[in-house]
Amino acid sequence: DAGVIQSPRHEVTEMGQEVTLRCKPISGHNSLFWYRQTMMRGLELLIYFNNNVPIDDSGMPEDRFSAKMPNASFSTLKIQPSEPRDSAVYFCASSSTGGNTEAFFGQGTRLTVV
Amino acid sequence: SQQGEEDPQALSIQEGENATMNCSYKTSINNLQWYRQNSGRGLVHLILIRSNEREKHSGRLRVTLDTSKKSSSLLITASRAADTASYFCATDRAGNTPLVFGKGTRLSVIA
Repeated sequence: DAGVIQSPRHEVTEMGQEVTLRCKPISGHNSLFWYRQTMMRGLELLIYFNNNVPIDDSGMPEDRFSAKMPNASFSTLKIQPSEPRDSAVYFCASSSTGGNTEAFFGQGTRLTVV
Repeated sequence: SQQGEEDPQALSIQEGENATMNCSYKTSINNLQWYRQNSGRGLVHLILIRSNEREKHSGRLRVTLDTSKKSSSLLITASRAADTASYFCATDRAGNTPLVFGKGTRLSVIA
């Protein structure tokens, strides 16, 4: 397996634009996580899916953020409208059973909102 | 919100020395994991220790867990320049819960 695949690797967008980040988890994994990493706040959990169902979205900053998992092999994180404070590295990770087993991380998407 | 808190925030040592990083957490856990992150990359899993275990080894890594103190330590023996990275602890609560990470310890190993 190629591991968790995220796209794009880098995204530069203007304030107010819609941004969509994509993730393909490892085949057979039932759990998917979206994290955001900044120097100030560290690695924050945004949302957690189990069997394609959102289980915990308490970390989603505000209504501008939304995440979907239409099937077991694809997830998106959308920011609309984007703001400069959304600039961060966004990671997707998957595991076989929630937080009970090893999580595999993608390489991340570095988002810059100008 | 962060569950784990690593200490120290940054650590600089000479190659060949041992490096010890600590993690404290707040609530009961199912297991605790340690991850490594090289600059500009995703996190890589190092080791998992379950709440009923006290110590675990993997190569040059030794992890301890003290559930009464809600703390864990990661020891890297005979450090190498390639060990330079950030190290994070992560915990999950009992049941179907996600991993929550601390802010990490930045380790620099000087050759």
